[in-house]
Amino acid sequence: GAVVSQHPSWVICKSGTSVKIECRSLDFQATTMFWYRQFPKQSLMLMATSNEGSKATYEQGVEKDKFLINHASLTLSTLTVTSAHPEDSSFYICSARGTSGSLSFGPGTRLTVT
Amino acid sequence: KQEVTQIPAALSVPEGENLVLNCSFTDSAIYNLQWFRQDPGKGLTSLLLIQSSQREQTSGRLNASLDKSSGRSTLYIAASQPGDSATYLCAVLAGNQFYFGTGTSLTVIP
Repeated sequence: GAVVSQHPSWVICKSGTSVKIECRSLDFQATTMFWYRQFPKQSLMLMATSNEGSKATYEQGVEKDKFLINHASLTLSTLTVTSAHPEDSSFYICSARGTSGSLSFGPGTRLTVT
Repeated sequence: KQEVTQIPAALSVPEGENLVLNCSFTDSAIYNLQWFRQDPGKGLTSLLLIQSSQREQTSGRLNASLDKSSGRSTLYIAASQPGDSATYLCAVLAGNQFYFGTGTSLTVIP
C-alpha cells in the first residue's frame, strides 16, 4: 500500500519550453503532497506543499510563477516548470502524506534542460 | 525550528558487520519519525515508521528506536550486505511539516 507514482521518469527539453510532471497516489487519498528537488549528492530541498483544492504553499526562494503546482484531486498533483532553463535541470521528487502520517515518495523525475 | 542531524555523513563497513546510524532532532514535539533509503538516481523508499508513542520498530534485519526526550533515533542494520549500500535518511513529522536529515551514505564492502 501507499504507492506513489511519477510521470515521466525522465525528460529532456529545450530551454524556454515548459514541462509538466505528474504525481499520483495510487492506492490512497492524499490531501497533502510535497514537491522536492535534489541536486547530485545533496539532500532533498522542499519546494512546496500542495493541498488538494487550495493554492500551494511555496518555500522561501522558490518562484511560484515558475514552478506551477496544481492539486486538483485527492490522488493527483502536478508540477509545471515554466520557461525552463539549464539551471532548472535537477531531480524532482514528490511525496504524499497518508492517513497515518507516513510519507510515501514517488520514484522521481530527472529533468534535463538543454 | 526543527533541525535534524545525521551522523556519520558517510560510513563504509565490510559485509556481515552490524552497524548503527544515528539521527538527532532538536524539538521533541514530533508526530512520528521515519527512516528512508535512497539509491542513486532513485526516489526514497520507506523503511520504518515510528509513531511518537512508540519506542521501536523492526523489519527484517532493520531495527529503529526512538527516544523522544533526548531527541534521538537509531537505525540498526544487522549482518550488513552489499545490497544495503545506499543513502539513509531520517525525517520527523512536526506540526504539518516534514524535516529531513542530511543523510548517511553507507557502503558495504563485499
